[in-house]
Amino acid sequence: SQTIHQWPATLVQPVGSPLSLECTVEGTSNPNLYWYRQAAGRGLQLLFYSVGIGQISSEVPQNLSASRPQDRQFILSSKKLLLSDSGFYLCAWSVRDMMRVTYEQYFGPGTRLTVT
Amino acid sequence: GNSVTQMEGPVTLSEEAFLTINCTYTATGYPSLFWYVQYPGEGLQLLLKATKADDKGSNKGFEATYRKETTSFHLEKGSVQVSDSAVYFCALGHASGGSYIPTFGRGTSLIVHP
Repeated sequence: SQTIHQWPATLVQPVGSPLSLECTVEGTSNPNLYWYRQAAGRGLQLLFYSVGIGQISSEVPQNLSASRPQDRQFILSSKKLLLSDSGFYLCAWSVRDMMRVTYEQYFGPGTRLTVT
Repeated sequence: GNSVTQMEGPVTLSEEAFLTINCTYTATGYPSLFWYVQYPGEGLQLLLKATKADDKGSNKGFEATYRKETTSFHLEKGSVQVSDSAVYFCALGHASGGSYIPTFGRGTSLIVHP
C-alpha cells in the first residue's frame, strides 16, 4: 500500500532563517506531488505541484521554492522565512496514469511551522 | 474557472442528529467530486467521491449524490457521533489545460456535542 511521510512534524523557526520540509511517498511510482499551506482557520492554498522529476509549477509567487530531486521526494524550501509563512504545510500525491484520469489526492500528516 | 462553495461553519450538532453540509460547484463539463475530512492536527483524508452525474458516494455512514442539474454534492449523515467532529472539504477535479489540479472549498467545521 501507499504511504506518504512528512518531516518534521513541528518546527519553530525565527524570522529570516532558512526552511527545508521534506515529503516522501512509498508504494507508488511517477506520482503527481503537491505542496499546500493551510493558515489557521483557513482553507487550503496550493503552493506548488509537480508532474515529474525537476518539473515544478508554482501557483502563488512568494519566498518559497520547491524541488523534486527524486521521483517520490518533494522538498519545500525558503532562504529567509517571514512571519506570514507560519501555517500547516501539507504534502499530497495523486496517481499519474496515462490510461485513466484520477483526481483524488492522498495527504501526508502535515508540518506545523511557527515563525517567531 | 472552476470553483467550489461550501456552507459557512461551524456546524454544531448534538450526537445522533442528522447532518447536511451543502456544497455547490461551478465547472465546465463533467468534473469528479470529492469530500475530504480533516481531523484536528492531521492531514486530509478522502472520505468519498463521485465521478459522474447521479452517482452516490458513500463511506462510514456519510453519503453524497452528484447532482448535475443543481451542480451540488451535499454531504449527509443520518446520525453523527462525537468522533465525526472535524473539518470537511468539498472538492472537484477537472482537467484544465492538461493539468489535474483539484479545486477545494474553504472547509466546514463540524462540532458534535455528546
